[in-house]
Amino acid sequence: QKEVEQNSGPLSVPEGAIASLNCTYSDRGSQSFFWYRQYSGKSPELIMSIYSNGDKEDGRFTAQLNKASQYVSLLIRDSQPSDSATYLCAVDLNSGYSTLTFGKGTMLLVSP
Amino acid sequence: GAGVSQTPSNKVTEKGKYVELRCDPISGHTALYWYRQSLGQGPEFLIYFQGTGAADDSGLPNDRFFAVRPEGSVSTLKIQRTERGDSAVYLCASSLGSGTSVDFGPGTRLTVL
Repeated sequence: QKEVEQNSGPLSVPEGAIASLNCTYSDRGSQSFFWYRQYSGKSPELIMSIYSNGDKEDGRFTAQLNKASQYVSLLIRDSQPSDSATYLCAVDLNSGYSTLTFGKGTMLLVSP
Repeated sequence: GAGVSQTPSNKVTEKGKYVELRCDPISGHTALYWYRQSLGQGPEFLIYFQGTGAADDSGLPNDRFFAVRPEGSVSTLKIQRTERGDSAVYLCASSLGSGTSVDFGPGTRLTVL
């Protein structure tokens, strides 16, 4: 059974700090990894994708993947109150199509 | 361009009734997905269409749930004999194909009384 685990939070950080969000997954065959942001009452919005071990940076966001440890993380630098949302980790076996297995999400609260 | 659209945005029904939820994907997206998200949970995969055919319906919880995509564009998720446990936000998503990013619609909030 495919599982994706995240701490539910909330993770509270002050404005300007680095927020670190973590995710582990159970299926070693997983090939694609995604972070989605979901504001309350809204649908998930893709913010990062990562496919190979190491770091991938996009603006204030850095995704990190370690397939040996089955671990994915998202770092948000210079956190802003507008970053306050639930962050969903999603994993795809890439078995020919993109059916994602999501974690429950981590709520991030950035205080001014 | 226009994103994924879903109608209705909210649906309230009584236990035992039949409901249909509609999804209009991004133009040109051949892959279409239905997910269900309960409160405090991440989205849960229901069914995937490639073109007109359901390529993977392994996530449908039981035979009360059915989905169609007759012309390879708009899709309808159909739920028979609704139960209170069916209450959730039903999310539709589309993508250009395998391995490409998935764009979600705004969802339909279904409440079964």
